[in-house]
Amino acid sequence: DTEVTQTPKHLVMGMTNKKSLKCEQHMGHRAMYWYKQKAKKPPELMFVYSYEKLSINESVPSRFSPECPNSSLLNLHLHALQPEDSALYLCASIGLAGSGSSYNEQFFGPGTRLTVL
Amino acid sequence: SQQGEEDPQALSIQEGENATMNCSYKTSINNLQWYRQNSGRGLVHLILIRSNEREKHSGRLRVTLDTSKKSSSLLITASRAADTASYFCATDAKGSARQLTFGSGTQLTVLP
Repeated sequence: DTEVTQTPKHLVMGMTNKKSLKCEQHMGHRAMYWYKQKAKKPPELMFVYSYEKLSINESVPSRFSPECPNSSLLNLHLHALQPEDSALYLCASIGLAGSGSSYNEQFFGPGTRLTVL
Repeated sequence: SQQGEEDPQALSIQEGENATMNCSYKTSINNLQWYRQNSGRGLVHLILIRSNEREKHSGRLRVTLDTSKKSSSLLITASRAADTASYFCATDAKGSARQLTFGSGTQLTVLP
């Protein structure tokens, strides 16, 4: 299984809502990432988890709250978002050194298209 | 943060022609990767070139890397309409703990 899955595919939420994005992989990868991508722009790194611990937070506002409950799952909890947070949210994973082949390639999920009204 | 720039920003060619995209970056790298993204979808890994390699091939793709100029190019030969997509380079910088930084991207349109 060489796939990263993300749910939901699309999400529309109001500024007062609380919602969560979910990402899952079963490749045994021990590093997982959240990216935000605006239209016609490259992905921008938000968070990195290594061995289920948050290792990088790229100064992301606290209205975005990541969680890694186990080595296969990564969540992004959303609360009190702003319309400018509307974007494609991408999850990715990568094997770490010593974990086997292809440990340089990041595998991306299809993304969640988020619209904040 | 965005590491590098790609040019051109947009490229439109006829089917069967070759497409060349260039990427420049700023810091020392472990490797450089190229990804493809169809509109509104996830990124698909195309090819990885390590910092000690100068050229790499995969099917119709050819990637070059010049670490002295901090630049890379992606050549797609005999393009097809299905190659229409955005193409991003991404660098895995030394000491970055497997953190990729993406270039600005090239939007390629292949006309049938």
